[in-house]
Amino acid sequence: QVQLVQSGAEVKKPGASVKVSCKASGYTFTDYYMHWVRQAPGQGLEWMGWINPNSGGTNYVQKFQGWVTMTRDTSISTAYMELNRLRSDDTAVYYCAFAVAGNQGLSYWGQGTLVTVSS
Amino acid sequence: EIVLTQSPGTLSLSPGDRATLSCRASQSFRTSLLAWYQQKPGQAPRLLIFGASSRATGIPDRFSGSGSGTDFTLTISRLEPEDFAVYYCQLYGNSPWTFGQGTKVEIK
Repeated sequence: QVQLVQSGAEVKKPGASVKVSCKASGYTFTDYYMHWVRQAPGQGLEWMGWINPNSGGTNYVQKFQGWVTMTRDTSISTAYMELNRLRSDDTAVYYCAFAVAGNQGLSYWGQGTLVTVSS
Repeated sequence: EIVLTQSPGTLSLSPGDRATLSCRASQSFRTSLLAWYQQKPGQAPRLLIFGASSRATGIPDRFSGSGSGTDFTLTISRLEPEDFAVYYCQLYGNSPWTFGQGTKVEIK
């Protein structure tokens, strides 16, 4: 069955970087764009952008441009989201997710990765 | 950029009640690429509705979506105990894939 398995929780200091992985299985990884969504504690969902696993092309929300990098390794069906210059308000659960068709929403989600930024 | 505003912020209802959740867009969008998600504590969101009114695979028919233009509605016809959760709407298809701020459906 389709699965997105994300890397484990991280604790980082302000100013550091974090790289979260999302390993896909049960489908052809290059068929669907991979999206990243984050959720600060007790807050709503914030869409960050997507990567096209086939071409490597990316589309980031303006807020994250120059600050987030989404990459992929097709040989191991894994997508990555790296966030630089971390601040305390980047503390959040980061999710990867994809839509099985352009006219549908995000139908498959990873379990989430908690990133805590604290000095 | 289109902003999605959900109301009410919190809905206090009893099992068996009907729930009506609203999602209003700051401007009309031509496509009905509007989705609804359910999220329970400690879990990833689950897709309920896409295309404003189509149920995702495995979603019970007590969940229904409607609307177009700027006003969209998620209706839960009879609340089951497992339906108490937070619900988000999302505009998708064109960047950015904006989320509403969520509506919490809590037990009265």
